[in-house]
Amino acid sequence: EPEVTQTPSHQVTQMGQEVILRCVPISNHLYFYWYRQILGQKVEFLVSFYNNEISEKSEIFDDQFSVERPDGSNFTLKIRSTKLEDSAMYFCASSASSGSPGEQYFGPGTRLTVT
Amino acid sequence: SQKIEQNSEALNIQEGKTATLTCNYTNYSPAYLQWYRQDPGRGPVFLLLIRENEKEKRKERLKVTFDTTLKQSLFHITASQPADSATYLCALDSPSNSGYALNFGKGTSLLVTP
Repeated sequence: EPEVTQTPSHQVTQMGQEVILRCVPISNHLYFYWYRQILGQKVEFLVSFYNNEISEKSEIFDDQFSVERPDGSNFTLKIRSTKLEDSAMYFCASSASSGSPGEQYFGPGTRLTVT
Repeated sequence: SQKIEQNSEALNIQEGKTATLTCNYTNYSPAYLQWYRQDPGRGPVFLLLIRENEKEKRKERLKVTFDTTLKQSLFHITASQPADSATYLCALDSPSNSGYALNFGKGTSLLVTP
């Protein structure tokens, strides 16, 4: 069964450093997403991406964040200058629907620890 | 602003019983509502989607109801098993619905004991 994969599973970085989190969505999916979950809190939407551009973003997704689909398979989230409060689990998701809502398939997550 | 509320207290039930989880929302009329399961340290796993014009949906031992007047969804697991122990998340589409973002509730933890 196809699944979303994410690398690395755990990333430790120092405050102020740039990090890139990588995802390979399910191959025939059209929408891609990033969410985060701070320990003990709810899953929060960051950004959605369709047709090579951002279709929606939350208030959390400020200028420090960017997304890219550099080739036909990878989808990346870059945090330019990490802060302590960026420590969280980051989930990539994808969905097949275009023009109508559908279920989202989540990856296993990348645990980001900023020290 | 849109608010999604789920039982904050963990739900403990005995194996074989029916678990009922509640999701209430305010300040919004979602086009659809979804339920996900999340195990510790893992990503959410899609379970069911119900649209605003549907009252009820079933999938194997799972049943979801959606009452847009009460602004509430109920999620039932019948004949519960210890393997059903997890956190269950309610999610609504975002008000803008331009990018199919999901807004999640905090989730309800379910523990099924033998």
